[in-house]
Amino acid sequence: DQQVKQNSPSLSVQEGRISILNCDYTNSMFDYFLWYKKYPAEGPTFLISISSIKDKNEDGRFTVFLNKSAKHLSLHIVPSQPGDSAVYFCAASETGNQFYFGTGTSLTVIP
Amino acid sequence: DTGVSQDPRHKITKRGQNVTFRCDPISEHNRLYWYRQTLGQGPEFLTYFQNEAQLEKSRLLSDRFSAERPKGSFSTLEIQRTEQGDSAMYLCASSPLTGLTNVLTFGAGSRLTVL
Repeated sequence: DQQVKQNSPSLSVQEGRISILNCDYTNSMFDYFLWYKKYPAEGPTFLISISSIKDKNEDGRFTVFLNKSAKHLSLHIVPSQPGDSAVYFCAASETGNQFYFGTGTSLTVIP
Repeated sequence: DTGVSQDPRHKITKRGQNVTFRCDPISEHNRLYWYRQTLGQGPEFLTYFQNEAQLEKSRLLSDRFSAERPKGSFSTLEIQRTEQGDSAMYLCASSPLTGLTNVLTFGAGSRLTVL
């Protein structure tokens, strides 16, 4: 039972353009959402988060948007850089104790 | 502090053997989590500790799996009588009780291969 879904396994974007990564969830009780970035042979590293009381959170080139009615969140990276090439996971939590992760989207930024 | 440390990074074992993984969280973090990740999947929750108390366990954690955090610092995850289906990356993460409580800091993982 996949409560967090990332339907695009991969995405390729030209350097300097916008990358948009999408995530859908099914549990309306989720109240905290995070994006993690993972390089090969490393653990996931925290990128940005958003609470359900907000619909947008921005940190430099990274912005996360939350649409609670659609149970959808997205991560925008502008401008995309080759160093952004990695696997991106979204995660969601209801209690703050157990986090549910999506299957990841592999982003390739082409120089 | 060097972050979350996991040992060993790689373990190859034969089916039926026992294996143990160790996790050293960030020293001021009270919460410690174990996740498992298989190829093409996201991390799946296994169990969670607050200090030395194991507060939550996933249904994925069969009787062959046991986790401990005896002094509220490092944790061990033991898998008994390993099966080929146990082959995965085992990730440990920690988070503080105050401040950024919802942000997990992950270790690099321990990759298990069961032959």
